Amino acid sequence: EIVLTQSPGTLSLSPGERGTLSCRASQSVISSYLAWYQQKPGQAPRLLMYATSSRAAGIPDRFSGSGSGTDFTLTISRLEPEDFGVYYCQQYGSTSAFSFGQGTKLEIK
Amino acid sequence: EVQLVESGGGLVQPGRSLRLSCAASGFTFDDYAMHWVRQAPGKGLEWVSGISWTSGNIDYAGSVKGRFTISRDNARNSLYLQMSRLRDEDSALYFCVREMAYGYHAFDLWGRGTVVTVSS
Repeated sequence: EIVLTQSPGTLSLSPGERGTLSCRASQSVISSYLAWYQQKPGQAPRLLMYATSSRAAGIPDRFSGSGSGTDFTLTISRLEPEDFGVYYCQQYGSTSAFSFGQGTKLEIK
Repeated sequence: EVQLVESGGGLVQPGRSLRLSCAASGFTFDDYAMHWVRQAPGKGLEWVSGISWTSGNIDYAGSVKGRFTISRDNARNSLYLQMSRLRDEDSALYFCVREMAYGYHAFDLWGRGTVVTVSS
């Protein structure tokens, strides 16, 4: 099973700043099978990015994804107040198993 | 409206069984693989099980294999999770989730979840 480790655990930034969230895998991940989600308190997660760098429907272009192999990054170019929440990366592996990272909490100062 | 609505959660004693249901609407249910993902209180997300649109491919997380059974009824636009031999650590919010098309293995539609509490 591929283990995803996200860093940092918590990120505190001000509106307008750039946010960079990391997701590191214990084994190589197929780029087409790496996704990112945002979850706000009391809500279900929302798909942000799929296939590493493709934005899901309705996701603003301040969100971007990159990476390959074992290192992936979600970047929020100019933070908006509504971007607070917990962000999870997720992968699908060759054993037909899905796994999520433990999450990065993004706090807006 | 495109949505997933879970039901069937509740309080159950350890060792007992519970069946979750998910009603899909607003999209062609049998075009999509479906999954259950859970989230323990204050914790992260854990994939539980998935089923292909034909029910021909079924997978489980190691933590539930042999105890949980996923199924679907395409005629009723419904997904199910039969949970047996429940443990304290199965307590969580259970989300019904749609896997997006085109083989990207990402989850593009989530229900609001149903809470399962396993406690004596």
